[in-house]
Order: sequence, then C-alpha cells, then structure tokens
Amino acid sequence: DGGITQSPKYLFRKEGQNVTLSCEQNLNHDAMYWYRQDPGQGLRLIYYSQIVNDFQKGDIAEGYSVSREKKESFPLTVTSAQKNPTAFYLCASSMWQGSYNEQFFGPGTRLTVL
Amino acid sequence: AQTVTQSQPEMSVQEAETVTLSCTYDTSESDYYLFWYKQPPSRQMILVIRQEAYKQQNATENRFSVNFQKAAKSFSLKISDSQLGDAAMYFCALHRRGKLTFGKGITLSVRP
Repeated sequence: DGGITQSPKYLFRKEGQNVTLSCEQNLNHDAMYWYRQDPGQGLRLIYYSQIVNDFQKGDIAEGYSVSREKKESFPLTVTSAQKNPTAFYLCASSMWQGSYNEQFFGPGTRLTVL
Repeated sequence: AQTVTQSQPEMSVQEAETVTLSCTYDTSESDYYLFWYKQPPSRQMILVIRQEAYKQQNATENRFSVNFQKAAKSFSLKISDSQLGDAAMYFCALHRRGKLTFGKGITLSVRP
C-alpha cells in the first residue's frame, strides 16, 4: 500500500535533548512538508522540501532542522533550542506540479518533552 | 502574507440535519486553491473538498458542498444529512505555490 508513515506514534524526551522524528513516503512524491499542531491552533508549517537536497523554512522553523537526502525520507530534528517542543507533528507529501499539489498527510507523532 | 480565519471554535448539529462551517481568508493573489480538511479523533488529516479560485462553480462532494464567494473572500462548508461519523475537527486551508495556510479549526459535534 502506498502512503506516508511516521514513527514513532508517541515520543517522550527529556528537556534539553535533541530528538528526530521520522517521515517516509512511498508515493513517489517530489515534495514533503512538516507541520506542527498545538491545541486550539491550526497546522503551522515548519519546513518543506520540493526536491532532494533542498529545503526551505516555513513559518516556524526556529529550533528545528531537517534533511532531504532521499526522495522518500524527510526527517525532522527538534533541537534543544526549540522553547516549547511538546506538540503533535504531522508530515505530508505531494507531487510538485506548479500551482496545485494536493498534500497527503501521515498519521502524526505526538512529542512530549518532560 | 496569507491568512485564514475560522471564527467559530465549536458547532453542534443534530444527526440528519444540515450545518454550515464558516471560513474567511485573505490573500493578494488571484491564483490559489481552497480546501476543507477533516481531522477525526484519530488525528489523521482527510481532504474533504477543494475549490479552485478560478472556478465560479461551487465544488460538491456527495453530502459536502461549499459556498465560495471570491469577492468577499469567504469559503464556507455545508454538510447535509449529518452523520455521527462527521464529528471531527474541520480545518479550512488556502493553498498557494505549494504552501498551505490553515485556519485554527472548528470542532463539530453531532447529536444523535
């Protein structure tokens, strides 16, 4: 089955530790995205990547880093510089077709920093 | 900058009745797309319906339809014959050049 996988579903870390969230897709999509969702908030874009080895900051990139070494994978690292990392993180992917590209979402990872 | 506003945090509807969820947006662009996404308790984001800004005809998908008013920058979602499975959080989103901007969402409950 084609789709987007995110692992793990729940993640707990101590304050001050970096943590990496996994996102893999087998849809052959060019573009991948990371969003953060907080209670009472919509999804906010952290980073996105249109092609391998290239990525751009979204609206709330501070305290996060990404890499895009393979088309299928777009891991997100939450660094100790992120002041409030506890949140629900969603990964998405899409074809890159110019003006329109429907984004498909993974199941998400709930990160709790203790 | 693009903004999407969903001013109603919660709504409730009786099963089998019709409900309308409101959304307004702001963009300086003329070429964009609008979406409604559903997020059930599983938290999986599901695309409900999309509307191309250049199309005057309102999109429909089975029990879901939109009222797109481009001049007013309004994009409401109408759910007809509401079902218990429609209970979820609904997000309005604007798409421009590969980037989605979301509203804060509205929690819809369905009363049996």
